[in-house]
Amino acid sequence: DAKTTQPPSMDCAEGRAANLPCNHSTISGNEYVYWYRQIHSQGPQYIIHGLKNNETNEMASLIITEDRKSSTLILPHATLRDTAVYYCIVRPRDESGTYKYIFGTGTRLKVLA
Amino acid sequence: NAGVTQTPKFQVLKTGQSMTLQCAQDMNHEYMSWYRQDPGMGLRLIHYSVGAGITDQGEVPNGYNVSRSTTEDFPLRLLSAAPSQTSVYFCATQLTYYSNQPQHFGDGTRLSIL
Repeated sequence: DAKTTQPPSMDCAEGRAANLPCNHSTISGNEYVYWYRQIHSQGPQYIIHGLKNNETNEMASLIITEDRKSSTLILPHATLRDTAVYYCIVRPRDESGTYKYIFGTGTRLKVLA
Repeated sequence: NAGVTQTPKFQVLKTGQSMTLQCAQDMNHEYMSWYRQDPGMGLRLIHYSVGAGITDQGEVPNGYNVSRSTTEDFPLRLLSAAPSQTSVYFCATQLTYYSNQPQHFGDGTRLSIL
C-alpha cells in the first residue's frame, strides 16, 4: 500500500506555476521524499528529493512542511512538455528491513495551451 | 535516462516461451532492481540486488529469476511466459542500497505474451 496520497489529476495553464501536492502523513524522521515523473510510458525521470529543507534545482522546487507530513512540487513555468504523471515517493523500510520505493498511481498533470 | 540500458525495447512471446530481459549500467552503482508496470498502475518491485552475487525478492517475484554476476549487469529471466506477465519492465539502479540518492531508471522493455 502506498505511503503517499496524491490527487489523481490536475490541469495547469502553460507558463503558469504547477503546484502538485502530496500527503505523506506516516513518514518517518529519516525518510526522504522523492519526486519522479513519467511521460507516456517512458522510464520514470527523477526530478528532486528532500528530507526536511526546501530544495530547488533546474527542474523544480520542493516545499516540505515543517511537520513533514506533506510536500508540494512546484514547476515554476509549466510547458506542454511537462504533461506527465508525477509520482511522490517515500522509501520506507518494511518489517524485514527491506527498503523499497512504493509507487502509487501519481498525479496526471495536463498542461494546457 | 543515460547510464541504464535495457534491451530489447519490445518483445512478443508465446505462452510457455522463456526469455531474458537485459539491464546494463555504467555508473558503478551497487544496487539494481527490476519493476513491472501494468496499465494505469504504479511500478511494482520484482527482484533487486544490493551488489554482485546478492539478490533478493521484491513484491511480485513469482515467475521471474535474476542473477548478478557483475556490477554492471542484472538480467531478468522469464522461465515460462504467461499472459499475466504482459507488462512494461523497468530496470533501476542506485548508488548503494542504503544511499538516499535517487534511483535511475531505464527506458523499459515492453513485453507482450500471447
